[in-house]
Amino acid sequence: SQKIEQNSEALNIQEGKTATLTCNYTNYSPAYLQWYRQDPGRGPVFLLLIRENEKEKRKERLKVTFDTTLKQSLFHITASQPADSATYLCALDEGGYQKVTFGTGTKLQVIP
Amino acid sequence: GAVVSQHPSWVICKSGTSVKIECRSLDFQATTMFWYRQFPKQSLMLMATSNEGSKATYEQGVEKDKFLINHASLTLSTLTVTSAHPEDSSFYICSAIGPVYNEQFFGPGTRLTVL
Repeated sequence: SQKIEQNSEALNIQEGKTATLTCNYTNYSPAYLQWYRQDPGRGPVFLLLIRENEKEKRKERLKVTFDTTLKQSLFHITASQPADSATYLCALDEGGYQKVTFGTGTKLQVIP
Repeated sequence: GAVVSQHPSWVICKSGTSVKIECRSLDFQATTMFWYRQFPKQSLMLMATSNEGSKATYEQGVEKDKFLINHASLTLSTLTVTSAHPEDSSFYICSAIGPVYNEQFFGPGTRLTVL
């Protein structure tokens, strides 16, 4: 099965800056990759999905890139706000059976 | 749209008792639901895949006789933790495949504490 690596250390950035989170995987390139937001004591909330034939996807202040050569996805939040503070999880599909494997997440703290 | 609820949101029980957790898709029909477990500062670990009207598929290492899953309708799946022990204390989260293919909608989670 896939091994998914996200920076386990918390990421602290100043309000208004762009936050960039990294997701690396080790095995085969998935058909699609997803990013979720999780607040403490809550279930994850779906943010974006990017397919293997897409290089980039945008949604409002969010941008996701997918590089199958590097086996890496980057998740960007532009003009970050304190309300963006949360843990962000990337998830990869497991062979198209609608099952996904989650990374451990990166905790983002946006400082006012 | 695409809301998933869980009940209860938290439960405390004594060791040896059984606990049932409900997962409901409120405004869509979910042929597939997933059950996850999350320990503190760890990621979500898939326990089982629940398909309406058929037996659940369990991940390796998950005891099917201990974690009973019933997906009796297109909007309801239940997870029963039988003979719970303190090591079963965790955050249990369900998800359902929503109207858009491959997009999972998660419930708010259930915090189980076994004394």
